[in-house]
Order: sequence, then structure tokens, then C-alpha cells
Amino acid sequence: ELKVEQNPLFLSMQEGKNYTIYCNYSTTSDRLYWYRQDPGKSLESLFVLLSNGAVKQEGRLMASLDTKARLSTLHITAAVHDLSATYFCAVDTRTGNQFYFGTGTSLTVIP
Amino acid sequence: EPEVTQTPSHQVTQMGQEVILRCVPISNHLYFYWYRQILGQKVEFLVSFYNNEISEKSEIFDDQFSVERPDGSNFTLKIRSTKLEDSAMYFCAGRPSLGYNEQFFGPGTRLTVL
Repeated sequence: ELKVEQNPLFLSMQEGKNYTIYCNYSTTSDRLYWYRQDPGKSLESLFVLLSNGAVKQEGRLMASLDTKARLSTLHITAAVHDLSATYFCAVDTRTGNQFYFGTGTSLTVIP
Repeated sequence: EPEVTQTPSHQVTQMGQEVILRCVPISNHLYFYWYRQILGQKVEFLVSFYNNEISEKSEIFDDQFSVERPDGSNFTLKIRSTKLEDSAMYFCAGRPSLGYNEQFFGPGTRLTVL
């Protein structure tokens, strides 16, 4: 079974600081997704990474994908309180027919 | 912008009862999915559905679960005899085609089994 692990599971950081969330997965895949989830809410798509070396940025978030290392990172620059949420990475199967989600990283940004 | 909708937002049921969770996918989507998330845990795949057939299903999706798209619009998940451990948030998702990689998620139905 494909395994997707994230670390850290919990992250508390001060506003203005930088940090990186890591997502490791156990099988060959060149498609990786990052989602944000606010408490009690659905999953909001942040990034779709479709090839080795892909890098995407939106505001204070930047995601990258290294398919050879089976690693994706979500980098947070100068964190603000509004970024507090749980972040999930997900990998899809070769058939493209199901997502395997990571364990999630609960981010709290402290003013 | 089109959205996936789900009803009800919250369903409370007694153990052993049948529940049906409903989803209305975005109209041009062809591939449909159900996921569940137990409180505080990760999102888990249940089943994928295409062309009125199940494409893939996980070990969680046992004989107590079924899906159908009865009218070409609604996509439903039925749990025949609910257990306490079925309490979770259930998300419906869809995508236009396999070539379009991203899945679009609905707001979820919180199922509470008492």
C-alpha cells in the first residue's frame, strides 16, 4: 500500500518566521497535491505538482516536488495568522483513480 | 464558479440504521469519489466511480457500503447498517477526466452514529 508521511504533524510558529513541511511517499508517482483544511471545513486545493522539479508559489506558500527522492515540500515564508490550518499532501495512484493523503500537518501561527 | 454540494451537512443516526449521503458533483465531471475522515485523522479513500461502475475501492469499503448515481446527477453513498466507527466526515469529490489531475471536494457530511 502506498504510504504518505508528513512531518511535522504539529507546527507552532510565530508570525514572520519561515518553515518547511515535508511530505514523503513510498511509491513511484509524479503527481502530488497540496490541500488546506480549516477546522470543520472541506479540502481546498493549493497546489498541483505534475512533474519532477515542479515548483509553484502562491503568496507566502511555495511547493516543490522531487520525484526521485519521493519528496515534496511546502515552504512557508513570513507566516501570518491566516495561514493557521491543517495542510495535507496527497499522491495519486498510477491509474489516477484514488488519492492517498498524508497524515496532515496542523499549523498554528502565533501573533 | 461551480461547486460540489453535499447533503445533509450533518446526519445523526442510531447504530444499525441505514444512511444515504448525497452529493451533486460539478456537471462536467465524469469521475467521482468518496473519502472519509475520522475526527483528527487523515483523509481516507473509500471508492471511485466512473461510467456507472466502481473503478477502485479500499478495504474500508466493505459490503456495508454501496454507491450509485441513479439519475445522472446525484452521487450517493449508502451505509446499510451503521456502526459506531462509521462516525466521520464523508467527502465527495470529482474530476472532469483522468487527464485532469485535480480532484474537487465537496463540503462534507458529518455522520454521527450513536
